[in-house]
Amino acid sequence: AQSVTQLDSQVPVFEEAPVELRCNYSSSVSVYLFWYVQYPNQGLQLLLKYLSGSTLVKGINGFEAEFNKSQTSFHLRKPSVHISDTAEYFCAVRGVNTGGFKTIFGAGTRLFVKA
Amino acid sequence: GAVVSQHPSRVICKSGTSVKIECRSLDFQATTMFWYRQFPKQSLMLMATSNEGSKATYEQGVEKDKFLINHASLTLSTLTVTSAHPEDSSFYICSASTGESANYGYTFGSGTRLTVV
Repeated sequence: AQSVTQLDSQVPVFEEAPVELRCNYSSSVSVYLFWYVQYPNQGLQLLLKYLSGSTLVKGINGFEAEFNKSQTSFHLRKPSVHISDTAEYFCAVRGVNTGGFKTIFGAGTRLFVKA
Repeated sequence: GAVVSQHPSRVICKSGTSVKIECRSLDFQATTMFWYRQFPKQSLMLMATSNEGSKATYEQGVEKDKFLINHASLTLSTLTVTSAHPEDSSFYICSASTGESANYGYTFGSGTRLTVV
């Protein structure tokens, strides 16, 4: 079985400070990993994804994430946040189990960027 | 940039009726479209992947006969919730993709809030 845990439901941070949104997963099969962002009153947007290769993945808007297989983590980071980064962030894991594909989303982390 | 239009944005229906939700790629051809369900506490569930001209691939645990997906053209996919019940009330989101990102989706619609009474 697969599961995704986003360790923080809310993360308040001041503008221009660094931020890390944590994501841990469990899976018995190989997985692909994703981060999505949902801005207020808008649809979802893919931030970045890890499929294979380099474990450090760079995405849009200055975000990056690092896949750590030994710690089963895929934490999202940004060195300096802006007010406009305030949004809901979702980590997702896609793997292959008996019977078909399975994509699991985390419960989300709400990032509040304060002036 | 790529735009995906989802319609309707909100719908209220009576229990036992069916509801159709449309997802259109406005300025590109989407070989693959995805349907998601977002629960009240914001967690998301990928329901199915549809490829133009072929049957949808449903995720584990999603009822194929309950959630009918049709991808009749490269710009339109529909999700029909059949015999809807109050537990089907949710926020449904589609996304569309083409090319390199075909397996995972890039552009999302703005979602449809379904309320079954």
